[in-house]
Amino acid sequence: DTGVSQDPRHKITKRGQNVTFRCDPISEHNRLYWYRQTLGQGPEFLTYFQNEAQLEKSRLLSDRFSAERPKGSFSTLEIQRTEQGDSAMYLCASSSPWRNPSGAYNEQFFGPGTRLTVL
Amino acid sequence: GENVEQHPSTLSVQEGDSAVIKCTYSDSASNYFPWYKQELGKRPQLIIDIRSNVGEKKDQRIAVTLNKTAKHFSLHITETQPEDSAVYFCAASNNNNDMRFGAGTRLTVKP
Repeated sequence: DTGVSQDPRHKITKRGQNVTFRCDPISEHNRLYWYRQTLGQGPEFLTYFQNEAQLEKSRLLSDRFSAERPKGSFSTLEIQRTEQGDSAMYLCASSSPWRNPSGAYNEQFFGPGTRLTVL
Repeated sequence: GENVEQHPSTLSVQEGDSAVIKCTYSDSASNYFPWYKQELGKRPQLIIDIRSNVGEKKDQRIAVTLNKTAKHFSLHITETQPEDSAVYFCAASNNNNDMRFGAGTRLTVKP
């Protein structure tokens, strides 16, 4: 499978625990994005990386959230001291700076997501 | 920051009819406007996109129009089929950086 992969697919945790998610982008993609999606809503931008540099962070990303992409390949998103409001689907996407074969610019390819449930 | 509004939130059409979904954006610096389709339990997938130097783009039964002056863009699906039923999201960004999505439109195509 050469698409974006995320691990784990599901995570159930108790309030106050720390969790970490991993995203493996498409190999030649230099951009990597994290989003959060709750039921009935569109994906909410959290942060994105170009290579290993974290270029932008949303105000949604509180101090309890941290993301890394140390070698410019896979990325991790950690949530510390989880709260029930953190329950959501966490989506990762990656993109290339070049057009794809159909001519689309900078398409973001999404992973399957990690569904987090905080009890 | 960018704010994207999308409507309607739900849309039901008869098979073969057309469907139109509209979005507005707030940041005049936005120059890339993709549309994603998300089926139940699956990841969003790009169906069409448009950049700000183009007013209209068409791909078979799907077309997108952009009005930069009014800051709105629309998705048009013609000859709808039951397999078009899904949630559709519009989005806006500046050079594909921090993408802002609309809240989604649940399209139901009745056979």
